[in-house]
Amino acid sequence: QKEVEQNSGPLSVPEGAIASLNCTYSDRGSQSFFWYRQYSGKSPELIMFIYSNGDKEDGRFTAQLNKASQYVSLLIRDSQPSDSATYLCAVDMIKAAGNKLTFGGGTRVLVKP
Amino acid sequence: KAGVTQTPRYLIKTRGQQVTLSCSPISGHRSVSWYQQTPGQGLQFLFEYFSETQRNKGNFPGRFSGRQFSNSRSEMNVSTLELGDSALYLCASSLQGLAGGTDTQYFGPGTRLTVL
Repeated sequence: QKEVEQNSGPLSVPEGAIASLNCTYSDRGSQSFFWYRQYSGKSPELIMFIYSNGDKEDGRFTAQLNKASQYVSLLIRDSQPSDSATYLCAVDMIKAAGNKLTFGGGTRVLVKP
Repeated sequence: KAGVTQTPRYLIKTRGQQVTLSCSPISGHRSVSWYQQTPGQGLQFLFEYFSETQRNKGNFPGRFSGRQFSNSRSEMNVSTLELGDSALYLCASSLQGLAGGTDTQYFGPGTRLTVL
């Protein structure tokens, strides 16, 4: 089992619709969760982070965290063609060798006009 | 404020050679983390440096090493290159880094390494 799992996609959504991305993680002690967006050929850029159970909204993006079920999700409202990218879920994990940020494989999102 | 910079952006080496990559963090950031990104394995954590000390380490062989200077700039070295080392190497900087709750990491543009 991978430490952080995401559906690789592609997730195809029509313009204006809601894109829903899910991420599950294995380390129950994880405290910090991040969503990054990566355009093809570019480096990841932070969309938002979440530490507490529940929802956190930032513009068209909403992150949802459920630590009991060990999943974190990202909703993109009013999806735009410019949202077409790979979305990476990252989880801060405490290991014997220290903390490390573990990334999922990413979900590719395609927003069709 | 200037972002994270990495040099060189592209590099071609042959098997057995060694390579050194450089990363300059955002001004004021003391933590630099290095990652390897490949299509098959995704984004994998190599190590983190904070105040010139390696603080965290991923599961990579000893051929991968790094260091950090007093101005927080960091270098990563890969010795005895293998074909499988071909990847995009990313560095990310943050204020405090991976310690008791990760703070936000900002990525550089990456160095694309090709090993022939």
